[in-house]
Amino acid sequence: GQNIDQPTEMTATEGAIVQINCTYQTSGFNGLFWYQQHAGEAPTFLSYNVLDGLEEKGRFSSFLSRSKGYSYLLLKELQMKDSASYLCAGMDSNYQLIWGAGTKLIIKP
Amino acid sequence: GAVVSQHPSWVICKSGTSVKIECRSLDFQATTMFWYRQFPKQSLMLMATSNEGSKATYEQGVEKDKFLINHASLTLSTLTVTSAHPEDSSFYICSARPAGIDYNEQFFGPGTRLTVL
Repeated sequence: GQNIDQPTEMTATEGAIVQINCTYQTSGFNGLFWYQQHAGEAPTFLSYNVLDGLEEKGRFSSFLSRSKGYSYLLLKELQMKDSASYLCAGMDSNYQLIWGAGTKLIIKP
Repeated sequence: GAVVSQHPSWVICKSGTSVKIECRSLDFQATTMFWYRQFPKQSLMLMATSNEGSKATYEQGVEKDKFLINHASLTLSTLTVTSAHPEDSSFYICSARPAGIDYNEQFFGPGTRLTVL
């Protein structure tokens, strides 16, 4: 079956670095997405990885290892506004997104 | 670019009425649009995939006669919740995938919060 696993909740301190891990199993693979979702709002796109390695975009970076079925989202210089849920989603061979349950990130001053 | 709108943003209705939600891609054409439902503190649940000019593909457990989807043009898809009941109260989100490019990203609308009394 298809499955996405990520931690339910994480806590970090303002200004610090946090890494949110995601493991995936999909029928075929057309990429791994990370989305940010604030409470009561729709998800917004953060990153897309289809090849192994690290993609850096400002304070956010995303890593993919296809052989391990593993990805992580790295957030640097955390700000209070980064408090949100972070959704990992794998795209299968039918180009459908398989969603994780999301990781709620709590930032403390 | 790549903006998706949804209308209405929120709706409150009485049990038994039907509610139509519109999803529009404002600055791109979308051959494929997706409809999701999200209950509080839960992840997105794909309800159906809609392709322009053809019937929608519904996920297992989603009643196609209750959740009517019409994708009449490359920029508009509608979801109609027929005979809504309180258990249909949820956050409904659409997303659209641009046509004609290799990129697989989906762009999300802002969501519609439905409350059925």
